[in-house]
Amino acid sequence: ETGVTQSPTHLIKTRGQQVTLRCSSQSGHNTVSWYQQALGQGPQFIFQYYREEENGRGNFPPRFSGLQFPNYSSELNVNALELDDSALYLCASSPYVGTGGTEAFFGQGTRLTVV
Amino acid sequence: QKEVEQDPGPLSVPEGAIVSLNCTYSNSAFQYFMWYRQYSRKGPELLMYTYSSGNKEDGRFTAQVDKSSKYISLFIRDSQPSDSATYLCAMSDSGGSYIPTFGRGTSLIVHP
Repeated sequence: ETGVTQSPTHLIKTRGQQVTLRCSSQSGHNTVSWYQQALGQGPQFIFQYYREEENGRGNFPPRFSGLQFPNYSSELNVNALELDDSALYLCASSPYVGTGGTEAFFGQGTRLTVV
Repeated sequence: QKEVEQDPGPLSVPEGAIVSLNCTYSNSAFQYFMWYRQYSRKGPELLMYTYSSGNKEDGRFTAQVDKSSKYISLFIRDSQPSDSATYLCAMSDSGGSYIPTFGRGTSLIVHP
C-alpha cells in the first residue's frame, strides 16, 4: 500500500505567476482534499474532489482551481499568485467521500513561497 | 470567534509527564472529533477519533469529548521526547459536508 505523495516539496514563485501542485492519492482512495496551512495555523480546506468532480469548496477565490484524474491523482492550480499564498499546501486522500476526516491520509505537503 | 479554538502553546513538559491538550468549539453540529499529530515539515497524521461524546483510549493516548461543554481533550500518558510535535484537533459534522475544521494546533515539547 503506497502513501500519499506530493510534488514538488518546495517551490519559490514570483507574485503574479501561476503554480501547479501535484498529489498522488493512496492506493484504493477515490477522494482527494486540498488544504492550505499558513505558518502557525491549522489547515484550511480549499476543495475536495471525488471521482473527478469537485465535491465541496472552502472560502478560497476562483484563482484556486483543481483537477482529479481517472487514476484519482490530483492537481491544485493557483493563478495570479499573491504574497499571502505562501504556505504549506497539503493533499489528503480518503477511501470514499463523507468520512469526515476520520479516514484522511495526508501527504508531506508542498511548501510554496511567493516573493 | 473561530469555530474551533486551540491554544498554540508551546507546552513544555518533562519526559514522563501526563499531557493535556484541549480544544473548544462553537458548532453544535460537530459529531466527529479527531486528533492529528504533525511533526515539523511533515503532513498531519491521524492519531485517533471519536464519534459524538465519550472517551476513547489507544495505548498512551486518551481522547475525551464533552459535547455539553463543547470541549474536547487529548491526554498523553508517560510522555516521550518523540511525542514532541504539533497536535491539531479537527471536527466535522455528519449531516453536511463532512469536511473537517481544524484548530490552529498546540506545539508540545517533551524534554528529557
